Amino acid sequence: EAGVAQSPRYKIIEKRQSVAFWCNPISGHATLYWYQQILGQGPKLLIQFQNNGVVDDSQLPKDRFSAERLKGVDSTLKIQPAKLEDSAVYLCASSLAVGSSYEQYFGPGTRLTVT
Amino acid sequence: QKEVEQNSGPLSVPEGAIASLNCTYSDRVSQSFFWYRQYSGKSPELIMSIYSNGDKEDGRFTAQLNKASQYVSLLIRDSQPSDSATYLCAAVYGGSQGNLIFGKGTKLSVKP
Repeated sequence: EAGVAQSPRYKIIEKRQSVAFWCNPISGHATLYWYQQILGQGPKLLIQFQNNGVVDDSQLPKDRFSAERLKGVDSTLKIQPAKLEDSAVYLCASSLAVGSSYEQYFGPGTRLTVT
Repeated sequence: QKEVEQNSGPLSVPEGAIASLNCTYSDRVSQSFFWYRQYSGKSPELIMSIYSNGDKEDGRFTAQLNKASQYVSLLIRDSQPSDSATYLCAAVYGGSQGNLIFGKGTKLSVKP
């Protein structure tokens, strides 16, 4: 079974530029999550989708971050404009469905450096 | 504030010893807990999940949950150098829909 796919793996941009990350979850997984992991910290949830609907985006900085999952499979996370403090690893995870007992599996992540 | 607390370490153990990793959480309603292993430069990998009080064993790993004390632990028996990594504790909080709150992780070093 293929895991969660993400691209690109690395991205370097200047502040105020825009960037987009792509995620393809494990086949059959209805729930998709985007996390931000800053060096030395645990991952922090940015947004959760169930199929193509948003379940929780309470921690997404909506003035600069946006995300979509139009057909309930792939998802894109965008940052515009980027700030220095956005330098982090952006992780996508998926699980079978919404529910506290469902385990989440992570993709390899995208390491973003903002200069 | 919903929090998961871990000792950041580093925790150093000799090869073959038992490594004990601990985690506390603040939300009494939380029902589900997970341990992830994260190698340097890699993404978190799920190694254990636990939902009920008591112990759960999987190979060399044992997760322990005590909801009354709001405490979760992970024991690694016969530790190997390949177990050297950061171990992240995570909890799904009551009222959320599967959203994980992570601790900062404990860095484990297993010395040959």
